[in-house]
Amino acid sequence: LAKTTQPISMDSYEGQEVNITCSHNNIATNDYITWYQQFPSQGPRFIIQGYKTKVTNEVASLFIPADRKSSTLSLPRVSLSDTAVYYCLVGLVSGGSYIPTFGRGTSLIVHP
Amino acid sequence: DADVTQTPRNRITKTGKRIMLECSQTKGHDRMYWYRQDPGLGLRLIYYSFDVKDINKGEISDGYSVSRQAQAKFSLSLESAIPNQTALYFCATRQGTEAFFGQGTRLTVV
Repeated sequence: LAKTTQPISMDSYEGQEVNITCSHNNIATNDYITWYQQFPSQGPRFIIQGYKTKVTNEVASLFIPADRKSSTLSLPRVSLSDTAVYYCLVGLVSGGSYIPTFGRGTSLIVHP
Repeated sequence: DADVTQTPRNRITKTGKRIMLECSQTKGHDRMYWYRQDPGLGLRLIYYSFDVKDINKGEISDGYSVSRQAQAKFSLSLESAIPNQTALYFCATRQGTEAFFGQGTRLTVV
C-alpha cells in the first residue's frame, strides 16, 4: 500500500487559490489518487480522483506529474466554507479488495 | 434521506456496558467499513466486510466485534466499553472507486 505524506495544516484567506500537495513515492502502476474532504463532525466526502495529468470538476482540480510520485489538489478562490481536513488516498480503487486508507490529512483553515 | 445512516448519532455509556452502533445503507453496495476517528487523527479501520458472508479485521479490531445482518446493514459492537473507546465512529460503503460515509456516531464512555 502506497504511503502518502501531506502537510498537517495550512492557512489561507478568502478568495485565494489553495494548493495542497501529497507525496506518494511508491505509488503502484495501477493506483489512482483520490482526495476526500471532511468537515468537523461529518464523514469524509469524495472530492476528486485521477490517474495522471490533470482532472478538473466543479469543486477542485487535481494535478499529477508524469512520474506520479506526487499530486496537488487545487482549490480555486476558497471561501470560509472550505475550512476542512483534506485527505489524499492512493490505491487500486477499482479492485474488489481496495480499502480506503486515511492518514491524518491536511487541516485547511480559511480566514476572512 | 441519507444514503448511509448511522444510529445513534450521539451516545454516552458507562464503562463495562455493551453497546451497538448501527449502520444501514440504501446504495446497494456490497462493501462496508467501520472506522474510528480520534481528535486530530485520521480515520483508522476497525472492521470491514466485502459481502454478507465476509468479515475482516482492520488495524484496531481489539475490543470490537461486527455483524453483517444483510447487504444493507453492518453493526459495530463494543462488548465491554472502556473510556479509551471514546471517539467518533464512521460507517462507510463502497462499490467502485468512491466511498460514501455516514454522519458518524459520537460515543463517550464514562
